[in-house]
Amino acid sequence: GAVVSQHPSWVICKSGTSVKIECRSLDFQATTMFWYRQFPKQSLMLMATSNEGSKATYEQGVEKDKFLINHASLTLSTLTVTSAHPEDSSFYICSARDALAGDYNEQVFGPGTRLTVL
Amino acid sequence: GQNIDQPTEMTATEGAIVQINCTYQTSGFNGLFWYQQHAGEAPTFLSYNVLDGLEEKGRFSSFLSRSKGYSYLLLKELQMKDSASYLCAAMDSNYQLIWGAGTKLIIKP
Repeated sequence: GAVVSQHPSWVICKSGTSVKIECRSLDFQATTMFWYRQFPKQSLMLMATSNEGSKATYEQGVEKDKFLINHASLTLSTLTVTSAHPEDSSFYICSARDALAGDYNEQVFGPGTRLTVL
Repeated sequence: GQNIDQPTEMTATEGAIVQINCTYQTSGFNGLFWYQQHAGEAPTFLSYNVLDGLEEKGRFSSFLSRSKGYSYLLLKELQMKDSASYLCAAMDSNYQLIWGAGTKLIIKP
């Protein structure tokens, strides 16, 4: 089945630094990728929708200058958390939709990246 | 507005059956998804319903009533490993997933 990978799985960084998270669709092409954030014991919160070759669409309240998203190819999207602060510590999860999946529209999730900002 | 409602937490006994309900209100509808999420892990796909009726997949079944904006996930022969959060998500007319807050299922021996 379709597989999505994320790298790194976890990262610890100092406040003020930038962190890049990669999301890859391993065996399918993903014209659309999604970035979510999940705080402990809370549901998924969609941050942005990333379309290959175009600018990402950010959800209300998500700072696009702080969370930079690049979707340069059909198999790779990156999220860069710039000038990270402790409140950015969270579980970041990407998902991808198979461009050829047709009506099924299943989103396949990556394993997530746990970010801790000290 | 768009909204998904599901119970916050449910408790069931190993070997029993549990039904997790979900009601939704979305702008347009392109299907209802159920995902399972274990603590500290990403969600994994369980089921997808776009037509009314019951879809059975092993121990798990999912039901949809579009006229009522209602779905349920039925888990049979519960096992301890089924302890997880179960997320209901409806896809709107823009193919955007609207997520529920999740139902934490606790399985007791």
